[in-house]
Amino acid sequence: DIQMTQSPSSLSASLGDRVTITCRASQSIGNYLNWYQHRPGKAPKLLVFTASSLQSGVPSRFSGRGSGTDFTLTIASLQPEDFATYYCQQSHTAPPTFGQGTKVEI
Amino acid sequence: EVQLVESGGGLAQPGGSLRLSCAASGFTFGTYWMHWVRQAPGKGLVWVSHINTIGSTTTYAESVKGRFTISRDNAKNTMFLQMNSLRPDDTAVYYCARETRFGFDPWGPGTLVTVSS
Repeated sequence: DIQMTQSPSSLSASLGDRVTITCRASQSIGNYLNWYQHRPGKAPKLLVFTASSLQSGVPSRFSGRGSGTDFTLTIASLQPEDFATYYCQQSHTAPPTFGQGTKVEI
Repeated sequence: EVQLVESGGGLAQPGGSLRLSCAASGFTFGTYWMHWVRQAPGKGLVWVSHINTIGSTTTYAESVKGRFTISRDNAKNTMFLQMNSLRPDDTAVYYCARETRFGFDPWGPGTLVTVSS
């Protein structure tokens, strides 16, 4: 299975901060990389697909970059509703695998 | 509105069984692959199982293979996860999710399964 490694595991930030989360795949996955936001008690939400495409309705402060094995998710200016855990997921090779998550907290 | 809602979670004893359901609405259920993903307490998201559009192809994580069975009823817009020989490490919130070419979207709110004596 393809291993997905996120860093950091958690981070503390303030409103308005720029935040970047990194995801690394154990082998090349092209751009088959998706990002999800997961708030406690809620359904996970798709934010970014194919590494850099923003899902409909997702604020433009979110952006994704990367290809091959190295990817990033950036939140340009942190808002109160952005405090959550973020997961990357590869859809290149079955089974789909997730990173361990990055918790963004105050 | 495209929506998924899980049900059937609860408390089961080790070695026991539970059957989860995922009710879909707002889209043509029978044209999408579907998945189960779980999250153990304090842990991350882990893929569990998938089923193709007509139920002829299924795959499982190694940790549940031989114990869990995924199925679907397209006439009732519902997917199922039959969980047998439950173990304490199966304790988790179980989510169903629709696979699109853009990723898993949407997800249901989840149903909690607790395996304990």
